[in-house]
Amino acid sequence: GAVVSQHPSWVICKSGTSVKIECRSLDFQATTMFWYRQFPKQSLMLMATSNEGSKATYEQGVEKDKFLINHASLTLSTLTVTSAHPEDSSFYICSARDRFPKRDGVSNQPQHFGDGTRLSIL
Amino acid sequence: AQTVTQSQPEMSVQEAETVTLSCTYDTSENNYYLFWYKQPPSRQMILVIRQEAYKQQNATENRFSVNFQKAAKSFSLKISDSQLGDTAMYFCACHNTNAGKSTFGDGTTLTVKP
Repeated sequence: GAVVSQHPSWVICKSGTSVKIECRSLDFQATTMFWYRQFPKQSLMLMATSNEGSKATYEQGVEKDKFLINHASLTLSTLTVTSAHPEDSSFYICSARDRFPKRDGVSNQPQHFGDGTRLSIL
Repeated sequence: AQTVTQSQPEMSVQEAETVTLSCTYDTSENNYYLFWYKQPPSRQMILVIRQEAYKQQNATENRFSVNFQKAAKSFSLKISDSQLGDTAMYFCACHNTNAGKSTFGDGTTLTVKP
């Protein structure tokens, strides 16, 4: 249980294009999803918290217009990197919080991670 | 602000031996959880073990156990009988229940040698 699917797993595109990454909770509802960015051999940096039906909350220093987040349903959040440039190349990971975690169960975790998306901008 | 510090960027251990990864944290919250995650080369984040801050008993999951010292804000991970598949980057994390967000350490790259 508590499976999060992230798509695509790897994308390569030209500078200036926009890239959309999807994060889906497959077997649970998620009112909250998180988007992280990770550079090689570095930690996960929280970019924003995505809330179903409302605007995302961005961390300090993250450009809202650059990284558009939409959380239109209880099972889907999307991150769009607009007008991507080589410096946006990174590993992006989403996670989702179970709306109804079972106490002491697998679902009783603050977040369940997707497998990540490797974004390469040429 | 909440911080998590892992002071060992890299560590290595012989197969079947025991290794301990260090983690200290700082938080002003009373309600929080502590976690260790494993990130193998595939980069998938895998939960290794969790500890509720209100519990004094150290968490244990098979070969993995923690030494939770709340007063010292220390949360180390001990891996017993190390296996080659344990080779990965390990992240310590503190989850603030009230804020609903997690803070991660910089990670420790563990290599298990045959």
